Amino acid sequence: SQTIHQWPATLVQPVGSPLSLECTVEGTSNPNLYWYRQAAGRGLQLLFYSVGIGQISSEVPQNLSASRPQDRQFILSSKKLLLSDSGFYLCASSGPTNEKLFFGSGTQLSVL
Amino acid sequence: DAKTTQPPSMDCAEGRAANLPCNHSTISGNEYVYWYRQIHSQGPQYIIHGLKNNETNEMASLIITEDRKSSTLILPHATLRDTAVYYCIVRVYRSSNTGKLIFGQGTTLQVKP
Repeated sequence: SQTIHQWPATLVQPVGSPLSLECTVEGTSNPNLYWYRQAAGRGLQLLFYSVGIGQISSEVPQNLSASRPQDRQFILSSKKLLLSDSGFYLCASSGPTNEKLFFGSGTQLSVL
Repeated sequence: DAKTTQPPSMDCAEGRAANLPCNHSTISGNEYVYWYRQIHSQGPQYIIHGLKNNETNEMASLIITEDRKSSTLILPHATLRDTAVYYCIVRVYRSSNTGKLIFGQGTTLQVKP
C-alpha cells in the first residue's frame, strides 16, 4: 500500500505570511494526488487534484495554489495567508487503479 | 456524484455491533458506495466499498439494498478505538477518472464502555 508523508504536523503563521506545505508519496508511481482542507467542526473540502506532473485542477476559488514538480510530490502554497486559511490540510493519493484514496496524517495550520 | 444522507451521530456499546446507515436514493448504476472513517486529528482511513453485492473485509461488512438506494456499514464488534466520524460516499469508479471523493458531514460514532 501507499505511504503519504506530510509535514509539518502543526504550523502557526501570521496573517500575510507565505505558506508551503509539502506532500510526498511512497509505494506507487504516477498517482493521482489531492489536497483537502477541513475547517474546525466541518467536513473535508477538496481543494486541488493532479493527475500528473504539472497538471493541477482547482476545485474552489481561493487564496491557495498547488504545484506538482515531481511525480510523487505535491505542494500547497500561498503568497499571503488569510485568517480563513486556518484548518486541517490533508494530502491524499490514489494509485494506478484509482480504486482507493490513501491519506496523509495532515497539517494543522493556524493563521493568527 | 450522488449525494448521501447519514445520521449526524450514533452511540454503540463496546463489544456490540455498530450499524451505520446511509441513504443514497439518487445513486446511478455505475456509482460505487465507499466508506471511510476519520479518527480525531488524523487523515481519513479507507474501510470498504461495493457496487451492489454485499462485501466483507477484516474491518467491516457492507450491506447494500437490492435497489441500491441505501446501505449499512457494520462493525461486528465495536471497540473504543472505533470511535470516529464515518463517511459514506458514492462515487463513479473508473481507472481512468480522477477518483475525486466528495465528503459530506458523516456520522460521529461514539463507542461507550
